[in-house]
Amino acid sequence: GNSVTQMEGPVTLSEEAFLTINCTYTATGYPSLFWYVQYPGEGLQLLLKATKADDKGSNKGFEATYRKETTSFHLEKGSVQVSDSAVYFCALSDLEGAQKLVFGQGTRLTINP
Amino acid sequence: DAGVIQSPRHEVTEMGQEVTLRCKPISGHNSLFWYRQTMMRGLELLIYFNNNVPIDDSGMPEDRFSAKMPNASFSTLKIQPSEPRDSAVYFCASKSGQGPQETQYFGPGTRLLVL
Repeated sequence: GNSVTQMEGPVTLSEEAFLTINCTYTATGYPSLFWYVQYPGEGLQLLLKATKADDKGSNKGFEATYRKETTSFHLEKGSVQVSDSAVYFCALSDLEGAQKLVFGQGTRLTINP
Repeated sequence: DAGVIQSPRHEVTEMGQEVTLRCKPISGHNSLFWYRQTMMRGLELLIYFNNNVPIDDSGMPEDRFSAKMPNASFSTLKIQPSEPRDSAVYFCASKSGQGPQETQYFGPGTRLLVL
């Protein structure tokens, strides 16, 4: 079945540091890939997505490239801010799984000033 | 657009009581999803609807849980009787279209505590 594996947290960085959160997936079909962000006390918000191989999703300085050969969708940001502190979820959806989103376990990110 | 609306935002109840969670999807969206989030199990899909019809309820934990979608703008998730292990944050999400590339939009969640 489909699955998503994220690097375990928590991750703590200083402001302006470079961020990478690893995400790899297993899917039987050709999935679409998503990164969602959850700020404290809120619901999940879409951060970015990519729907086919080699696509790059980007938003708010975050980027992730859909790598079919390595089945990965790593999240990166060049210079993090305190306001980026949140929990980040990698997820996939494909036709085999109908419309279901399969989530990774989430990575808690804390940015210190 | 108002986004997905959930009510109540917080619910505290005693074991054995009935709990009803409510969701209003984004207008025009034809798919609706109910999720549960706990520290131990993360995010779990409980059930989803297409065009008001339940498609997959394999994630519903047991018969104490039921969900309905009487029309395109309203859904309920009911727990009867509630138990302390049901304490969690329950999210509703909606999306338009049928393809896997479509984005699911989440509500703010209902934080449920069963004493």
